[in-house]
Amino acid sequence: NAGVMQNPRHLVRRRGQEARLRCSPMKGHSHVYWYRQLPEEGLKFMVYLQKENIIDESGMPKERFSAEFPKEGPSILRIQQVVRGDSAAYFCASSPPGVRGWNQPQHFGDGTRLSIL
Amino acid sequence: AQSVTQLDSHVSVSEGTPVLLRCNYSSSYSPSLFWYVQHPNKGLQLLLKYTSAATLVKGINGFEAEFKKSETSFHLTKPSAHMSDAAEYFCVVSSITGNQFYFGTGTSLTVIP
Repeated sequence: NAGVMQNPRHLVRRRGQEARLRCSPMKGHSHVYWYRQLPEEGLKFMVYLQKENIIDESGMPKERFSAEFPKEGPSILRIQQVVRGDSAAYFCASSPPGVRGWNQPQHFGDGTRLSIL
Repeated sequence: AQSVTQLDSHVSVSEGTPVLLRCNYSSSYSPSLFWYVQHPNKGLQLLLKYTSAATLVKGINGFEAEFKKSETSFHLTKPSAHMSDAAEYFCVVSSITGNQFYFGTGTSLTVIP
């Protein structure tokens, strides 16, 4: 039973390019979360999605960042016109459908390390 | 608002000695609390969770944590450290809706042979 799959593991982009990060949730999971981890810091929540819906994007920067979770295929976190400050590890997590609540653990992928030259 | 404070950014112990990683939380409701471990260049693995059942929670790899409401603490312990325990540990509190996890800044555990 595969866990949360993220790809690529490492991504290098030049300033001004676009970065696309992909996340396939665990089998049977329909809730996806994206987090960003800066060096020496904990993870910061960015966005929470269900299939075809953005539920909570309160942690997303207002510009250049977007996320989707289509009916078919993985969830995508897109960063347009990347800048040096976007360099970070981006983690995806998933949780199963059903009763939503505060006691459901999230299962994390191994992350995508984004480096901006 | 919810938050967690991990009191030590670095902890160093000798192999075979006890581990104590401290976490204090702030929450406007009865919280759900988690400890996750992150090995280098890897994702986060759930160690244990507290969800208002027993206050002493047992997790994987011999770790356990005790929820103390009076002290607003959820410290992680292990009786005897192993070399493989060297990693970054995060204390996490969930929002009341479960939509968000709030992470502490992490504690880096070093195990000395």
